[in-house]
Amino acid sequence: GNSVTQMEGPVTLSEEAFLTINCTYTATGYPSLFWYVQYPGEGLQLLLKATKADDKGSNKGFEATYRKETTSFHLEKGSVQVSDSAVYFCALSDPGAGSYQLTFGKGTKLSVIP
Amino acid sequence: EAQVTQNPRYLITVTGKKLTVTCSQNMNHEYMSWYRQDPGLGLRQIYYSMNVEVTDKGDVPEGYKVSRKEKRNFPLILESPSPNQTSLYFCASSGRLAGASGELFFGEGSRLTVL
Repeated sequence: GNSVTQMEGPVTLSEEAFLTINCTYTATGYPSLFWYVQYPGEGLQLLLKATKADDKGSNKGFEATYRKETTSFHLEKGSVQVSDSAVYFCALSDPGAGSYQLTFGKGTKLSVIP
Repeated sequence: EAQVTQNPRYLITVTGKKLTVTCSQNMNHEYMSWYRQDPGLGLRQIYYSMNVEVTDKGDVPEGYKVSRKEKRNFPLILESPSPNQTSLYFCASSGRLAGASGELFFGEGSRLTVL
């Protein structure tokens, strides 16, 4: 079956530090890949996505590249801010399982300190 | 404003007392789903619905019921809650256009404590 593995947290960084959150996946088909973000006290919201190999998703200074050869979709940001403190979830959708169904990783909590 | 609305946001109840968490979306989405979020376990899907009168089990359906009588509503029913159902619950929805991009729209969550 499909699965998503992301680095365990929590991750604590100083403001303006470089961020990487690793995500690898297992899927039988050709999945689309996503990063969702959950700010404190809120629901999840889509941060970025990539639908095919070598695609790069980007939003709010975050980037992730769909790497089929390494089955990875690592999230990066060059300079984090306190407002980026949140829980980040990597996810995939497998068209064979129905495009609405997502498989989520367990989430990585990021805390950014001034 | 497009949104998914859950109620109640917070609830403390006792073992065995039936409760319902409501979920409503105003985006005319076909797909709706319930998740629970627990520390160290991430998000786990409880039930989902592809359209009115169509529901299916997710990964952790035991102890829960759902119904989809109207497109906008997808209530989660705990017939006889137990302490292991203490959790943070999220409802999510998606539609044909959003679904193709994999975007789920989430409610703000319902924190349930069962004593």
